[in-house]
Amino acid sequence: GESVGLHLPTLSVQEGDNSIINCAYSNSASDYFIWYKQESGKGPQFIIDIRSNMDKRQGQRVTVLLNKTVKHLSLQIAATQPGDSAVYFCAERGGSGGSNYKLTFGKGTLLTVNP
Amino acid sequence: EAQVTQNPRYLITVTGKKLTVTCSQNMNHEYMSWYRQDPGLGLRQIYYSMNVEVTDKGDVPEGYKVSRKEKRNFPLILESPSPNQTSLYFCASSPDIWRNTEAFFGQGTRLTVV
Repeated sequence: GESVGLHLPTLSVQEGDNSIINCAYSNSASDYFIWYKQESGKGPQFIIDIRSNMDKRQGQRVTVLLNKTVKHLSLQIAATQPGDSAVYFCAERGGSGGSNYKLTFGKGTLLTVNP
Repeated sequence: EAQVTQNPRYLITVTGKKLTVTCSQNMNHEYMSWYRQDPGLGLRQIYYSMNVEVTDKGDVPEGYKVSRKEKRNFPLILESPSPNQTSLYFCASSPDIWRNTEAFFGQGTRLTVV
């Protein structure tokens, strides 16, 4: 998995399998954690976020899990499709308010879905 | 269609020649920001704006300027571009700073400074 600090890791899965992309974060004071998807040649696209007082949130085919004890965030994609192939970024938001609502992005994980 | 539009998409320029990258959003968003994306470094915030005439520095503001005279537009200005500003630039907007996690990003501007 990635960390807000490492080289771009890759994950290759078969179409139809479930994908799990991991991320480690560093700021215990972050109030939101977010996943973005970036397809080749496009800008990042918001997928889902989770507030720091939650440990799980589900969207359409995606689930985000937050483990604050070990500062770990994961994105689960169910029944992965070729259209899911992209770079996935996690981000954390500083929770101090005002100008400190800063988003800090990880370096991303490249997901490749094999047909 | 809700969108953030950046222009140009690609730009090659020479060191020292002033340039402006435009960004426009049609969602009446208050919060806008500029990022640069470099291999191995991820997305880093350059400047942000909480509303018209309210701008502030992000993590890497050196060599850049911005303005926010209208709500929809947030241009990025490089007064004297240098090769270390060669990068992929993204503009983003969100309804307000409290909802800045739901950011809408533009398609990106790939800038090369020679």
